[in-house]
Amino acid sequence: TQLLEQSPQFLSIQEGENLTVYCNSSSVFSSLQWYRQEPGEGPVLLVTVVTGGEVKKLKRLTFQFGDARKDSSLHITAAQPGDTGLYLCAGPLDSNYQLIWGAGTKLIIKP
Amino acid sequence: KAGVTQTPRYLIKTRGQQVTLSCSPISGHRSVSWYQQTPGQGLQFLFEYFSETQRNKGNFPGRFSGRQFSNSRSEMNVSTLELGDSALYLCASTRSGGAENEQFFGPGTRLTVL
Repeated sequence: TQLLEQSPQFLSIQEGENLTVYCNSSSVFSSLQWYRQEPGEGPVLLVTVVTGGEVKKLKRLTFQFGDARKDSSLHITAAQPGDTGLYLCAGPLDSNYQLIWGAGTKLIIKP
Repeated sequence: KAGVTQTPRYLIKTRGQQVTLSCSPISGHRSVSWYQQTPGQGLQFLFEYFSETQRNKGNFPGRFSGRQFSNSRSEMNVSTLELGDSALYLCASTRSGGAENEQFFGPGTRLTVL
């Protein structure tokens, strides 16, 4: 059982559409990180959310941390082919240095 | 500043063999973590090294081991390879460790076990 559940596992949409992907847990996290991984490369950090209810924007990407710090969402407006990739969420397990990872959402944006 | 480098990028081995993968962190980063990534399991944490000491370990068998050198470069070794060890092995570095710090990943080593 994944401590961080990501949904959907796979999403394929047309360029210009909007989408939301989710990262859920029954555990409280002090922070959550979102990464994007492209084929043949390692994940790259997009954003870290720390405060419950926090919203962060990165151009067309909007990240939200749930009030209870158990879930997070990533909303993409007017998706573009360059947004294609594997989106991963990760969070620290208590005070441990270890990051817990979701299985990821594989996103394909068709031109 | 150069990023995290991993060698080799691709590797093909047969069952029963052993393999050593190498990771050079970003200059000044003292923490190196290793992950196994497979389509079904996602990223699974192997271990983390900080200042040549293993600070954290995931739930992998003893066939998986690692070490870190005084220049922060790290190696991981897998002995008696099994088919299920086929995966992308990623290393990530941070300046001082700490799960809330950004991890910088290398491109990974794609290991195929035949």
